[in-house]
Amino acid sequence: GQQLNQSPQSMFIQEGEDVSMNCTSSSIFNTWLWYKQEPGEGPVLLIALYKAGELTSNGRLTAQFGITRKDSFLNISASIPSDVGIYFCAGRSGSARQLTFGSGTQLTVLP
Amino acid sequence: DGGITQSPKYLFRKEGQNVTLSCEQNLNHDAMYWYRQDPGQGLRLIYYSQIVNDFQKGDIAEGYSVSREKKESFPLTVTSAQKNPTAFYLCASRKGHAVEGEQYFGPGTRLTVT
Repeated sequence: GQQLNQSPQSMFIQEGEDVSMNCTSSSIFNTWLWYKQEPGEGPVLLIALYKAGELTSNGRLTAQFGITRKDSFLNISASIPSDVGIYFCAGRSGSARQLTFGSGTQLTVLP
Repeated sequence: DGGITQSPKYLFRKEGQNVTLSCEQNLNHDAMYWYRQDPGQGLRLIYYSQIVNDFQKGDIAEGYSVSREKKESFPLTVTSAQKNPTAFYLCASRKGHAVEGEQYFGPGTRLTVT
C-alpha cells in the first residue's frame, strides 16, 4: 500500500523557537491533512490542503501542499508549551476514501 | 454538542475473550472508521463504513468484526483471533464520500488484554 515518510520522528525545542516537519510520499496525493494528538486523546484536525502549492495558516501553524503533490510541510512559529504532542500528516489520493497516515512527529517544548 | 463518543476510555480483558468497543456520533456523518494505534506508529485502518449496513475491510481487519445497523453507531468487536489486541483504538467519522469535510476522531479506547 501507499506509504508516508514523516520526519523528524521526534523534536526537542526551546519555548519560542520555530518548528518544521514534513511528510513525503512515493505517490501523488490530492489531499494533505495535518493532525495533532495529545496523550491519551484522539487526533484533532489542524489544517487541510487541497491544491498543489497551497499555503494555509491556522494561527501560529502554517502548512504547505508541495508542488510535486508528493510532499507537505508543517511549520509552527514561536512554540509554546501547549504545542506538545504528536503531529501526524495524512494523505488521500484520487478517489480513495481512506487516508494514509504518517508515523508522527513527537514534539517536546522545553521551558 | 455534536461529536464522537467512544466508551469506555479504558478496557481490560482476559486473553481469549471477545470484546466490543463502542463508537457513537451525532454529527450526521455518513462514513465511519476504526483505526488501531500502537506506540511510535501511525494509525492503521481496521474497517470503514460509507453507509448503513455496508462496511469494508481496511489494512488490518483480521481478528476484528464490525456492524453498521444505525448511521450513528459503528461498534468494533475484537475477537479472540486477534493475536495482538492490546492497543489504542480510535473511531472517526466523515460527512461525505468526496471532499466534503474530513475525518474527525473520537477520544479513543485503550484496550489491554492479559
